[in-house]
Amino acid sequence: GQNIDQPTEMTATEGAIVQINCTYQTSGFNGLFWYQQHAGEAPTFLSYNVLDGLEEKGRFSSFLSRSKGYSYLLLKELQMKDSASYLCAVWDSNYQLIWGAGTKLIIKP
Amino acid sequence: DAGITQSPRHKVTETGTPVTLRCHQTENHRYMYWYRQDPGHGLRLIHYSYGVKDTDKGEVSDGYSVSRSKTEDFLLTLESATSSQTSVYFCAIRDPSGGDTGELFFGEGSRLTVL
Repeated sequence: GQNIDQPTEMTATEGAIVQINCTYQTSGFNGLFWYQQHAGEAPTFLSYNVLDGLEEKGRFSSFLSRSKGYSYLLLKELQMKDSASYLCAVWDSNYQLIWGAGTKLIIKP
Repeated sequence: DAGITQSPRHKVTETGTPVTLRCHQTENHRYMYWYRQDPGHGLRLIHYSYGVKDTDKGEVSDGYSVSRSKTEDFLLTLESATSSQTSVYFCAIRDPSGGDTGELFFGEGSRLTVL
């Protein structure tokens, strides 16, 4: 079966750095997405990785290792507004998106 | 922001009644999707469409049907609602052409409660 694993919940301090991991087992791979979802709102696109390595976009970076079936989202200089759920999703060989259950990130002052 | 709206945003209904959720887009995108989101689960695909009158089932399609008679509208129907269909429903669109990554743009969600 296809599976994406990410931690259910993480807590971090304002101003710090946090890394959210995602491991996947899918039938094929055509790219990996990270989305942010604030409580009661729709998911919004954060990043996309299709090649190995690090993609940086401001305070957020996303890393991919296809050989290990592993990605992480790195958030720097955490702000209270970063409190949200972070969803990992993989495009399989049929270009169907397989979603993880999401990681709820709690930021404390 | 992508022009995508869902209606109704909130609905409470009784078991056995039919329910239709509407997704409307102004982006002229081919691909449209209906997902449900429940605590402890990732987004689960119900149905999707890759063009007018072209639809296909997702992983949790039982109890749901869809229609797409116009590019801009994608309707999700629960023929006879059950309590297990209480959920938040998200519509999404994707443009497979052009230089974007193919990311999905989501509507605001429709919260359905079946009593």
